[in-house]
Amino acid sequence: NAGVMQNPRHLVRRRGQEARLRCSPMKGHSHVYWYRQLPEEGLKFMVYLQKENIIDESGMPKERFSAEFPKEGPSILRIQQVVRGDSAAYFCASSQDRVISPLHFGNGTRLTVT
Amino acid sequence: GENVEQHPSTLSVQEGDSAVIKCTYSDSASNYFPWYKQELGKRPQLIIDIRSNVGEKKDQRIAVTLNKTAKHFSLHITETQPEDSAVYFCAAGGGGGAQKLVFGQGTRLTINP
Repeated sequence: NAGVMQNPRHLVRRRGQEARLRCSPMKGHSHVYWYRQLPEEGLKFMVYLQKENIIDESGMPKERFSAEFPKEGPSILRIQQVVRGDSAAYFCASSQDRVISPLHFGNGTRLTVT
Repeated sequence: GENVEQHPSTLSVQEGDSAVIKCTYSDSASNYFPWYKQELGKRPQLIIDIRSNVGEKKDQRIAVTLNKTAKHFSLHITETQPEDSAVYFCAAGGGGGAQKLVFGQGTRLTINP
């Protein structure tokens, strides 16, 4: 049973470019969460999605960031016009469809903005 | 919303000794409290969790205790080994049916041989 799959593992973007991060949840999991981790810091909640629905985006910056989890395909976290402060590790996690079940994390995407 | 405080931020213990990490949470409705271990450059991995209807849970050398009245929970690692060196995160969630977890700031645990 494959775990949470994230790609790419490393992503380098110049300031002003767009970054797209992908996450495929574990088999049988219908809930996806995105967290951001700055160096030497904790995990900050960004957004919680179910298929075709954003359930909680209270941790998402109001501008430049968006997330989706379409009916088919992986969840996408999109960052437009990246800035140096966006450099971080972005972790996706998934859980089963019940309240509340353990989160299983992917290996993360390390975004570097130059 | 929920707020989780974790202490200490760094902890150094001799191999074989015990380590204790403490967390407090603010939302009395939270009912799920997992602990994650993160090694350098790797993903957080669940090591143990506890729900609010239980006061203590053990898994070999790891135990977690929960005090709902005081709104704090602790991770205890006994007979520490070098491979226990990592960053440990506590988290709280589930209040009001909310699925998201709020994480503490992390504790960097170093086991000295």
